[in-house]
Amino acid sequence: DQQVKQNSPSLSVQEGRISILNCDYTNSMFDYFLWYKKYPAEGPTFLISISSIKDKNEDGRFTVFLNKSAKHLSLHIVPSQPGDSAVYFCGIGNEKLTFGTGTRLTIIP
Amino acid sequence: DVKVTQSSRYLVKRTGEKVFLECVQDMDHENMFWYRQDPGLGLRLIYFSYDVKMKEKGDIPEGYSVSREKKERFSLILESASTNQTSMYLCASSLRGLLAKNIQYFGAGTRLSVL
Repeated sequence: DQQVKQNSPSLSVQEGRISILNCDYTNSMFDYFLWYKKYPAEGPTFLISISSIKDKNEDGRFTVFLNKSAKHLSLHIVPSQPGDSAVYFCGIGNEKLTFGTGTRLTIIP
Repeated sequence: DVKVTQSSRYLVKRTGEKVFLECVQDMDHENMFWYRQDPGLGLRLIYFSYDVKMKEKGDIPEGYSVSREKKERFSLILESASTNQTSMYLCASSLRGLLAKNIQYFGAGTRLSVL
């Protein structure tokens, strides 16, 4: 059984600084780890993922890090922009994903 | 672009009513999912379908059933709606296999209120 935890329900970051969102999981037997972004009244949209055989994946301002020994996933956003204000979910699994409870990121202009 | 369309954005129903939530995807995806999103609880999987007429229970299937008669359409049914089923319901779809990288595509959601 997979447990996925995002221990910070909310995070506030100054515009231009780095935002770091964290996710911890219990079961390592999965191939992909994903991050989704959700605006109010919209469905989640896929942001970035990482394969279990890698420890880092970058896409523009977004970088995901995977520490398999610590069972820890993190998302770095740099520089943070006001449009990044949203709820972020990590999702872990194979055909089915188990999602964390989400972190609400607020970027302060 | 993948499109997942949920038939209603907002729905208000009475306790005890039978409720149908419809979802259609246009990318020929094998997998379809129903989740509910509640504050502090994240996205929780209700049911999953990996093929027509095939379904699998998720983490919280009680009080719900599903139907997948065609590949592109996945329906969530609340047999007798209760107030604790007031929530945001999200449909998603994905391709099967490793090349899909487990990426699920979500609809805009249906906010259901049961009074």
